[in-house]
Order: sequence, then C-alpha cells, then structure tokens
Amino acid sequence: KAGVTQTPRYLIKTRGQQVTLSCSPISGHRSVSWYQQTPGQGLQFLFEYFSETQRNKGNFPGRFSGRQFSNSRSEMNVSTLELGDSALYLCASSNSGTSTDTQYFGPGTRLTVL
Amino acid sequence: GQSLEQPSEVTAVEGAIVQINCTYQTSGFYGLSWYQQHDGGAPTFLSYNALDGLEETGRFSSFLSRSDSYGYLLLQELQMKDSASYFCAVRGDFQKLVFGTGTRLLVSP
Repeated sequence: KAGVTQTPRYLIKTRGQQVTLSCSPISGHRSVSWYQQTPGQGLQFLFEYFSETQRNKGNFPGRFSGRQFSNSRSEMNVSTLELGDSALYLCASSNSGTSTDTQYFGPGTRLTVL
Repeated sequence: GQSLEQPSEVTAVEGAIVQINCTYQTSGFYGLSWYQQHDGGAPTFLSYNALDGLEETGRFSSFLSRSDSYGYLLLQELQMKDSASYFCAVRGDFQKLVFGTGTRLLVSP
C-alpha cells in the first residue's frame, strides 16, 4: 500500500496570503488528522476529519480550516498568514481514528511565511 | 487542559539501555502511544498501551501506570540509528490525540 502523501512538500508565502495544503491518506483509511509542528511547541493537533465530517478540533484560530472529500483526501487552508504560522504541517491517517488505531504520518509540508 | 511532560533530551552510548518518561494530565484517557521521529522525517508509530503493564516489541518496550498517569519507553541495546525524537501521545476526551513536546535521544559511539 502507498503511504500518506502530502503536497506540496515545501512552500514559501508572505504575510497576509493564504495557503492550501493537501493530504492523501492510505487507501481505505477514513480518518485524517492534521498537526502543526514547531521546534518550541512540538506537535499541536489542528483537526480531525472522518467520513467528510470534522470530528475534532484543536485550539487554533478560525484562520485554520480544513475539509475532507468523499475519497478521504483532505485539505487544510490557512488564511491571512502570519509569521508564526511557519511550521511543518503533518497529516496522519488511520482506519477509524479510534484509540486503538495507529496513525500513519505523511512526510509533511514545510511552510515558511516571510 | 491537557498536558504531557517528557524530558527534552537524553543521551546514551551504543549498547546501553535508556528510559524516556512521560507523565500526563488529560481529561479522559484511552491509551498512551509512542512515536519516533528522525530529523527531517515523519513520526512513526512505536507502541501503544491501553492497560497497565509492560508491552514489548523487540528492543523497545513501553510501560503504563494509569493510577500514576505515567508511562515510559524503554530502549535496549541502543544503536546509532535510534538517535531521534520520541513523542508520547495520549488519546483523551473525544478521542483527541495529544502529543508531548518530545524527547531528543542522542546515541554516541
């Protein structure tokens, strides 16, 4: 099976712009979660989608949004970018997203905001 | 709120044994997981404990004590390739997965 893929791998934007990141989960997985990783804060949970519905949301401002399509692919969008949004954005997929499920991470999208 | 505490860095030599501790404070608890992340790589799953006790997978073992809100990852026969960051993660209320800030393990020859 192919692993989790994320596009693009690297992105440079300027303050005020918006960005859309894409994640394709492992075939058959219906849960996709997004995380922001920064050196100081570690892995911060953004949101989780399951069968096209947002099931969980972390403590991020409304500038961060996401969606999931019927084929389980997911996108996240960040509007009005700020310098502090520079981070590695990881998505992870799992079969059902429940406690016993292993999360499989993609390689991440490295976002730099100038 | 939810928080997980881990040491920021641990150093050891090849062949040694190292233990990485994790204490957590979460609302709801559905299990403690451990992930490994090499520099520039994605986190990969190592182990999961839902019940108290020790789970062993090759050179790696993970322990959980729910009454103490504590767990640890034990790495034996350390190899250079084990140099990486290790994260504990807890599934709490609403099945949210919350990660610790990570422990950087440096293995020297």
